Amino acid sequence: DQQVKQNSPSLSVQEGRISILNCDYTNSMFDYFLWYKKYPAEGPTFLISISSIKDKNEDGRFTVFLNKSAKHLSLHIVPSQPGDSAVYFCAASAHTGNQFYFGTGTSLTVIP
Amino acid sequence: SAVISQKPSRDICQRGTSLTIQCQVDSQVTMMFWYRQQPGQSLTLIATANQGSEATYESGFVIDKFPISRPNLTFSTLTVSNMSPEDSSIYLCSLHSSSYNEQFFGPGTRLTVL
Repeated sequence: DQQVKQNSPSLSVQEGRISILNCDYTNSMFDYFLWYKKYPAEGPTFLISISSIKDKNEDGRFTVFLNKSAKHLSLHIVPSQPGDSAVYFCAASAHTGNQFYFGTGTSLTVIP
Repeated sequence: SAVISQKPSRDICQRGTSLTIQCQVDSQVTMMFWYRQQPGQSLTLIATANQGSEATYESGFVIDKFPISRPNLTFSTLTVSNMSPEDSSIYLCSLHSSSYNEQFFGPGTRLTVL
């Protein structure tokens, strides 16, 4: 049972435009959410996180929005750069445990 | 952040054989995790490896198939036993940072079983 879903396996965006990556979850116990970025032949690296007490967290070009009622979060990258081309995973955890549940990933291609 | 290394980075193996993947961390950690990412699928937790005790396996994973060792606080191994093509995957070791409340990952081991 996939508790974290990323329904778009791929996304292409022109350089300089906004990239929006979406993620949905089903478990209402999740209260902490993260986005990871993964380049080929490398392990995932942490990008940005958000706690359920917030609905927005911003770090430079990256902003994560959380809509708890819809059990939906999104990652906005603006402006998008070719170096942002990678696979992005969203992940969620509940405060009761250390386990993170990952989505299937969205492959972002930023076209120069 | 923690530095995590894995060996081998990739391997091609024959059906029925076993492969042991090593994970080395540059700091002492109590809990290490092993994940699998099959093609087109999400990162799936295989087991949690605590130093000094037996690993805890997630549903669908068993010790006979994925034996884990955790001899000290900086090292762990995962063995993929009696491999079949369905075991072709990227295997990642990971640790949880309570300070940063995030998971750090190794570079992964890409396994192909013929």
